[in-house]
Amino acid sequence: DVKVTQSSRYLVKRTGEKVFLECVQDMDHENMFWYRQDPGLGLRLIYFSYDVKMKEKGDIPEGYSVSREKKERFSLILESASTNQTSMYLCASRRGLAKNIQYFGAGTRLSVL
Amino acid sequence: AQKITQTQPGMFVQEKEAVTLDCTYDTSDPSYGLFWYKQPSSGEMIFLIYQGSYDQQNATEGRYSLNFQKARKSANLVISASQLGDSAMYFCAMREGEDSSYKLIFGSGTRLLVRP
Repeated sequence: DVKVTQSSRYLVKRTGEKVFLECVQDMDHENMFWYRQDPGLGLRLIYFSYDVKMKEKGDIPEGYSVSREKKERFSLILESASTNQTSMYLCASRRGLAKNIQYFGAGTRLSVL
Repeated sequence: AQKITQTQPGMFVQEKEAVTLDCTYDTSDPSYGLFWYKQPSSGEMIFLIYQGSYDQQNATEGRYSLNFQKARKSANLVISASQLGDSAMYFCAMREGEDSSYKLIFGSGTRLLVRP
């Protein structure tokens, strides 16, 4: 079974803190993704990576950065958390072929106070 | 313009009945694929079913089937014999093209509640 593991289910941080969200997958997938989920807006892509040390901006990259030093790990970084970054964050991974299923982690619910 | 539209924010269905969740899409790419995911209250997105634009038959996976109407650009999910455990958010998503680094585009979701 494919497993995508997000390091925290719930996080509470203060405005201005630097926040790291970690994601690890165990199936040697090339592609990894970070999404943000807000009510009524569905999932919006923040960043994705199709190889180690490669990254591309998604639809809403402002205020975020990412790191992919190893194939299995993709980190989302909030350099200076703000209250409007309170949200559910979902990590996903997928093998490189077009018709492959994208697998998701359980999500991290982040609250910035 | 929205690429993926789910017009039903919420729906109810009686246990053991069938329910259809609507999804329309917009693309000019001849090669595309449509996915449905389920998100229970636990948060994890669970893949349900996939339909490719060139697939001749509608996709089926157990109690899930996809009513794919290409000319109308719709890909509705049909759940037969609803169970209480089907209560969840359901998302329709689309990939465009065959590039392996494609990005999935998601709709806003439909919350389904199954009544006992």
